[in-house]
Amino acid sequence: DQQVKQNSPSLSVQEGRISILNCDYTNSMFDYFLWYKKYPAEGPTFLISISSIKDKNEDGRFTVFLNKSAKHLSLHIVPSQPGDSAVYFCAAPTTDSWGKLQFGAGTQVVVTP
Amino acid sequence: EPEVTQTPSHQVTQMGQEVILRCVPISNHLYFYWYRQILGQKVEFLVSFYNNEISEKSEIFDDQFSVERPDGSNFTLKIRSTKLEDSAMYFCASSEGTAYNQPQHFGDGTRLSIL
Repeated sequence: DQQVKQNSPSLSVQEGRISILNCDYTNSMFDYFLWYKKYPAEGPTFLISISSIKDKNEDGRFTVFLNKSAKHLSLHIVPSQPGDSAVYFCAAPTTDSWGKLQFGAGTQVVVTP
Repeated sequence: EPEVTQTPSHQVTQMGQEVILRCVPISNHLYFYWYRQILGQKVEFLVSFYNNEISEKSEIFDDQFSVERPDGSNFTLKIRSTKLEDSAMYFCASSEGTAYNQPQHFGDGTRLSIL
């Protein structure tokens, strides 16, 4: 039941550069997507979301792009900062319930000086 | 900024014992959830709760699990007879609206260790 997939378990990026995190989904009925950031020993923190009626949503250094035809979304972080080092999850609510989020496996981002 | 708070941060319990994990959701939120993350695995949904009743539960949420909102602020998860495989991080979350248009906000979790 792998409806939300993050195929890159890790990403290393230099401070100041762009981080690009990818997420694929299998269910074309998904219409709302979220990105969460998680530090060790903390809970997931909501970062940014996008509705399927949009193809881009921007909030400061974070931009999410949605390509519905490819069933793909990406999170861009520009510029990357050391504090961005964390695990990033994409998530989507399942179509058969109003409350259940399906999470990807996460991508560990390490921002190096 | 309002937060979801969870207590305790770490709970160690003998197998077969009952455990209660506590959560205080964000005060104006109406929808409440429990998730868990076993070490090395994905965050997985356990249960959603709205209007003082369970709205949905996953296969994991069997008869050993129960949730309650005993007063206007707390939201608890009880495991009646813990098993070794219940060892995980348990996250409480809350949201203003449904998951289709409102983000869920998570607490920092309770690490449950079953011995």
